[in-house]
Amino acid sequence: AQSVTQPDIHITVSEGASLELRCNYSYGATPYLFWYVQSPGQGLQLLLKYFSGDTLVQGIKGFEAEFKRSQSSFNLRKPSVHWSDAAEYFCAVGRPGGGNKLTFGTGTQLKVEL
Amino acid sequence: KAGVTQTPRYLIKTRGQQVTLSCSPISGHRSVSWYQQTPGQGLQFLFEYFSETQRNKGNFPGRFSGRQFSNSRSEMNVSTLELGDSALYLCASSLEENETQYFGPGTRLLVL
Repeated sequence: AQSVTQPDIHITVSEGASLELRCNYSYGATPYLFWYVQSPGQGLQLLLKYFSGDTLVQGIKGFEAEFKRSQSSFNLRKPSVHWSDAAEYFCAVGRPGGGNKLTFGTGTQLKVEL
Repeated sequence: KAGVTQTPRYLIKTRGQQVTLSCSPISGHRSVSWYQQTPGQGLQFLFEYFSETQRNKGNFPGRFSGRQFSNSRSEMNVSTLELGDSALYLCASSLEENETQYFGPGTRLLVL
């Protein structure tokens, strides 16, 4: 069974600083990989996804993520954080051919200091 | 294009009761998935429906059930509610398998 680990429960960065959120997965082959963001009281919004091809994926709001097969990682990055990026971020994996079932990590709560 | 809508947005029930939650997917989307979100267990997959057929099922007891109608709208039902069923229930829709899933705002259920 696949699993996802987000080692950082809380992260605090200053506005304008760079950001990296970590995600490691466990899966027998190359899974489908996703990053979602959730603001308080809201549903989930997709930031970016990786299915195949170029391992550096660009997403919305200036986010990018890099798939590293050797490290089973899919870390999310942003070069300059804005105060509006404060939210909870979830990494998720899907199984190719397995429908739309997603397995989520426990999330990383991002706080942005002004 | 309208997004995924979920009704009701908030619900309070008592133990032993049953509840039905509704999800209307984005027009044209045939896949609807349901997730439970709690502070303790995080986001957990409940089930997925595609063209009125359950395609995937998570590890939840039989008290949790769902269905999908011909217009792709979906409902999930929880019978004999327990305190631990208090959660945010999220619905997501997509066109096909492995397409982007769009999430609704969720239904927040409180069981007293």
